[in-house]
Amino acid sequence: AQKITQTQPGMFVQEKEAVTLDCTYDTSDQSYGLFWYKQPSSGEMIFLIYQGSYDEQNATEGRYSLNFQKARKSANLVISASQLGDSAMYFCAMREWGSGAGSYQLTFGKGTKLSVIP
Amino acid sequence: SAVISQKPSRDICQRGTSLTIQCQVDSQVTMMFWYRQQPGQSLTLIATANQGSEATYESGFVIDKFPISRPNLTFSTLTVSNMSPEDSSIYLCSVEDGVAGIGEKLFFGSGTQLSVL
Repeated sequence: AQKITQTQPGMFVQEKEAVTLDCTYDTSDQSYGLFWYKQPSSGEMIFLIYQGSYDEQNATEGRYSLNFQKARKSANLVISASQLGDSAMYFCAMREWGSGAGSYQLTFGKGTKLSVIP
Repeated sequence: SAVISQKPSRDICQRGTSLTIQCQVDSQVTMMFWYRQQPGQSLTLIATANQGSEATYESGFVIDKFPISRPNLTFSTLTVSNMSPEDSSIYLCSVEDGVAGIGEKLFFGSGTQLSVL
């Protein structure tokens, strides 16, 4: 089973509107972290927001917020007041701290391509 | 957050040659990671590089093809050897930011876009 699932290959949003990008995850570890990255066409990976599994409050970073629903194993990214510069690929990723070989790497979803329409 | 400089930013190479990608961090970090992103795909971890020890490779990646050096706590290189068109990808280095309170976060360099003809 995939550890990170992003079901929206592509999304469109009107400029200045809010948009939610979906992410569900699968882990048996109690300690884990969830990340969202933005990848513009230039190829760099830009860190947006982080949520730890023990964080009680949803993470926020400026126009970005993470809707963390632990019981549902979802970590959706909400972008408020979309801007043209938000057009990019968005990746959800998870890092697990359980025992075993995968404790230090990020596991990525397949990404969602967001297009902001003027 | 750590500032990561990666170069070259892009290159076009001939089949059968090798390319070395450099990753420089502005602070000392314990672990550095190398990822590959094939066209239209997500990121896949190639290997984890710790200073003073051999890199740990993920399944499907071998040292002969992707030798890695980690001579100190701020620098690493990844070499793509004997390249073929299938190696055309974006290669990214990543580090864990050791600043207190956000130590779990991973940050990426700007990436190297490699095209093999």
